[in-house]
Amino acid sequence: AQTVTQSQPEMSVQEAETVTLSCTYDTSESDYYLFWYKQPPSRQMILVIRQEAYKQQNATENRFSVNFQKAAKSFSLKISDSQLGDAAMYFCAYRSPYNDMRFGAGTRLTVKP
Amino acid sequence: DADVTQTPRNRITKTGKRIMLECSQTKGHDRMYWYRQDPGLGLRLIYYSFDVKDINKGEISDGYSVSRQAQAKFSLSLESAIPNQTALYFCATSDLRVSSGSRTGELFFGEGSRLTVL
Repeated sequence: AQTVTQSQPEMSVQEAETVTLSCTYDTSESDYYLFWYKQPPSRQMILVIRQEAYKQQNATENRFSVNFQKAAKSFSLKISDSQLGDAAMYFCAYRSPYNDMRFGAGTRLTVKP
Repeated sequence: DADVTQTPRNRITKTGKRIMLECSQTKGHDRMYWYRQDPGLGLRLIYYSFDVKDINKGEISDGYSVSRQAQAKFSLSLESAIPNQTALYFCATSDLRVSSGSRTGELFFGEGSRLTVL
C-alpha cells in the first residue's frame, strides 16, 4: 500500500521569509497525483497545490511551489514571503487514478510576526 | 452554500449510543469518502463509495458502517460509539472520470464533524 511520510511535525518561519515542508511517499505505480492541503484553525481542508506525476515541471501557485523528485519519491512544498495567514496544518497527500487518497501525518506551521 | 455539507458540525455523545453523520453534495460527483482525522495520524480512510451500488471498506472500517442513499448522500454510522472514536470526521467527493476531461484527482471536503464520545 502507498504510504506518505511527513517527517516534520512542526515548523516555524518568520513572516516574509521562506520555508520548505518535506514529504516523501512510497509507491510502485508510475501514474499518480500529489497534493498539498492546508488546514487552518477553521478546520476546513483547502487545496494548496497539485502535481501530476507525468509532468516533469514543478507546479507553482503564486507564493507556493513544489520540488517534485519522482525518482527519489519526494514532494516538498516551498512557501515564499510567508504571511500570518499561512499558519496552519499542512498535509501532503498521494492519489493514484481511480483510487482513494492517502495522507501524511501533517506538519504544523507557525508564522512569527 | 457549501458544495459538500456535513451534519452535525459538532456532537457530544455517550459511550454506547448510536450516531449518524450525514453528508450531502451538490457537485454531481460519483465518488464519496469518509475520513477520520486524529492528531499525529493525519486523515485515514474509513469507507468509500464509487456509486450507489458500490461500497468499499477503507483502512479503519471496524466499528463503522455507511449508507449511500443516493448519488448525493453518503452517511456514516457508529452503531455503538466508544471513546476512541472521538475524532474529526470528514466527508469528501471526487470526480476522476477521464471522459469528463477533468482529471484533477482533487478531493473536495466538507467542513468536518467533530465527534466527542464520553
